[in-house]
Amino acid sequence: EGQLVESGGGLVKPGGSLRLSCAASGFRFDAYTMNWVRQAPGKGLEWISSVSTASSDINYADSVKGRFTVSRDNARSSLVLHMQSLRVEDTAVYYCARDRTILDHYFGMDVWGQGTTVIVSS
Amino acid sequence: EIVLTQSPGTLSLSPGERATLSCRASQSFTRTFLAWYQHRPGQAPRLLIHGASHRATGIPDRFSGSGSGTDFTLTISRLEPEDFAVYYCQQSGRSPPSTFGRGTKVEIK
Repeated sequence: EGQLVESGGGLVKPGGSLRLSCAASGFRFDAYTMNWVRQAPGKGLEWISSVSTASSDINYADSVKGRFTVSRDNARSSLVLHMQSLRVEDTAVYYCARDRTILDHYFGMDVWGQGTTVIVSS
Repeated sequence: EIVLTQSPGTLSLSPGERATLSCRASQSFTRTFLAWYQHRPGQAPRLLIHGASHRATGIPDRFSGSGSGTDFTLTISRLEPEDFAVYYCQQSGRSPPSTFGRGTKVEIK
């Protein structure tokens, strides 16, 4: 079925940086697009970034474009989100999740991590 | 960017009742790119439906999805105690970004 485990969250001051990691196990990591999704306190889910299987297609939400960088290492089954110029509004639980689209059918984000909490505060 | 509007914001129902949740898109898209999730507090989101109407692995058949174009629906035929949660629709196509609706909270009446 597969498992994802996030790490790296914590308390950071506005303008600071943080590196989130997501370790995958139990499935063929290189067969799935990987995503970062966050949930700010009292808010809904927000997709923020995705990276395709071979890293050829990388996308960001406008809210993080230019500040966040996603990368993956298929050999190590790991996903990383580098976050810079952090803002108070980046405070959220950050989830990694896998998905895939085959022949124009989107199979959804079917495996999620438990999330890691990022708090941006002075 | 496709904007998904979910309604109602909150649905107050009793166990055993039927829940009907709506997801309306700002522009039409292929139904195979629509998914639904359940999110309980303190837990990771859970995929319920993909391709608008296909139940994910292990999802009970009281959950069903329908719709096309700009209008999609998630139906829970008879609410169980564990179904009280927040539900999100999501679209993900070839044109990024992926987007979620703002969610519908199903609460106990």
